[in-house]
Amino acid sequence: SQQGEEDPQALSIQEGENATMNCSYKTSINNLQWYRQNSGRGLVHLILIRSNEREKHSGRLRVTLDTSKKSSSLLITASRAADTASYFCATALNKLIFGAGTRLAVHP
Amino acid sequence: EAGVAQSPRYKIIEKRQSVAFWCNPISGHATLYWYQQILGQGPKLLIQFQNNGVVDDSQLPKDRFSAERLKGVDSTLKIQPAKLEDSAVYLCASRRDAGVNYNEQFFGPGTRLTVL
Repeated sequence: SQQGEEDPQALSIQEGENATMNCSYKTSINNLQWYRQNSGRGLVHLILIRSNEREKHSGRLRVTLDTSKKSSSLLITASRAADTASYFCATALNKLIFGAGTRLAVHP
Repeated sequence: EAGVAQSPRYKIIEKRQSVAFWCNPISGHATLYWYQQILGQGPKLLIQFQNNGVVDDSQLPKDRFSAERLKGVDSTLKIQPAKLEDSAVYLCASRRDAGVNYNEQFFGPGTRLTVL
């Protein structure tokens, strides 16, 4: 069964807006990773946050982690049409366990 | 560096037939994974290799699925016989075992399997 659960399942926004996706999980983790999947580039690693970190930035991405609530969020600022993809959180202990993903559509 | 290579990209077979997928990881990556991704779901780990040894195959349906990585480089995943519910994208990934960002997995383009 999937460990992480993303929310919302689907998100539709206009270019320039921010997109926020949430992930909840059930068990202990070493780290939590976010991946993006689109038809052009397949599944690509975006960012990793360790269990002892609370926030991490990479370009237009901001990830937060709250281990007490077993939740994480991914914020994409100033979205672009090229950000259209499915976004997955994956929790890592001994192996990666992926959630079902959030489908993001960014309209020009 | 060259990415993870997989072939074929697409495969259509009838139920009860056999099928094999091939993966060549990024050079120097000792860890190799096979995932199954059913439409609308996230990838699910089937098997993990470290060099040519199996680390985790707890979710591999061993009555019909098999995988090998004989020389610790490329790998094959086989399904025999296939069932309708095996229709999915099969993803191969590899990971370096040390250095910066060693937790990051690099995925291949996948093989889309349709079982009729």
